[in-house]
Amino acid sequence: EPEVTQTPSHQVTQMGQEVILRCVPISNHLYFYWYRQILGQKVEFLVSFYNNEISEKSEIFDDQFSVERPDGSNFTLKIRSTKLEDSAMYFCASSGRAYGHTEAFFGQGTRLTVV
Amino acid sequence: AQSVTQPDIHITVSEGASLELRCNYSYGATPYLFWYVQSPGQGLQLLLKYFSGDTLVQGIKGFEAEFKRSQSSFNLRKPSVHWSDAAEYFCAVGGYGGSQGNLIFGKGTKLSVKP
Repeated sequence: EPEVTQTPSHQVTQMGQEVILRCVPISNHLYFYWYRQILGQKVEFLVSFYNNEISEKSEIFDDQFSVERPDGSNFTLKIRSTKLEDSAMYFCASSGRAYGHTEAFFGQGTRLTVV
Repeated sequence: AQSVTQPDIHITVSEGASLELRCNYSYGATPYLFWYVQSPGQGLQLLLKYFSGDTLVQGIKGFEAEFKRSQSSFNLRKPSVHWSDAAEYFCAVGGYGGSQGNLIFGKGTKLSVKP
C-alpha cells in the first residue's frame, strides 16, 4: 500500500540552526501539506502546496518557514532559524486529486526537538 | 470561524463495551469530515470520512460515524471496544476541492481501555 514517508523520525537541533524536514509523498498525488503538533496540543495546519507553489498557509507559517519540491518525489519543510517553540511533531501529508473526493494521507511524522 | 470541538479529553471504557466519541464542528460551507487515529509514537491513520450521501459511514477497525447536519456533529462509534483501540482520536473538518487537505483538527480524545 502506498504511503507517505518522512525522514528523519527524530531530529535534535540547537536553537538558531536551520533544519530541513523531508517527505516523500504518495507518487501520484498532487497536493502536499505540512502540519505540526506541539506536545499535548492539537494538530495544526501549516501549509499546502500545489503545482509548485504554496496554495494556502496558516498564520503559523511565517517567514522562517519555507517549502520546496526540489525534484519529482521529495517535499521539504525548512525552518531557517529554529526557536525553542518550534519543538513539535511535524507531519507531512499528501492528497490525490485537485478536486473531488479524496482524503489526505499522513506520514509518521518527524519529531523536532530544539535545545 | 471554522473549528472542531471534541469535548472529551480522555475517556476510559472497558474492553467489550461500546464507545462513542463526540465531535462538533463549525464550518461555513459543506463540510468534509474525518476521523483519524494516532497510536503512541505513530502518525495519523484515517479511520473514516464523510463527503456526501449516506450520513452513516463505515470505517476501518469496526468504527462508524454519523453525520448530523442539524446538530453539527460527527460522532464516532464502535459497538465493542478492543484493547488495541487505545489511542488518541482526532476529528477533522476540511473543504471541497483543493483545500481538502487543509484540515482543521479537534484537540483529540484519548481513549484508554480497561481489561
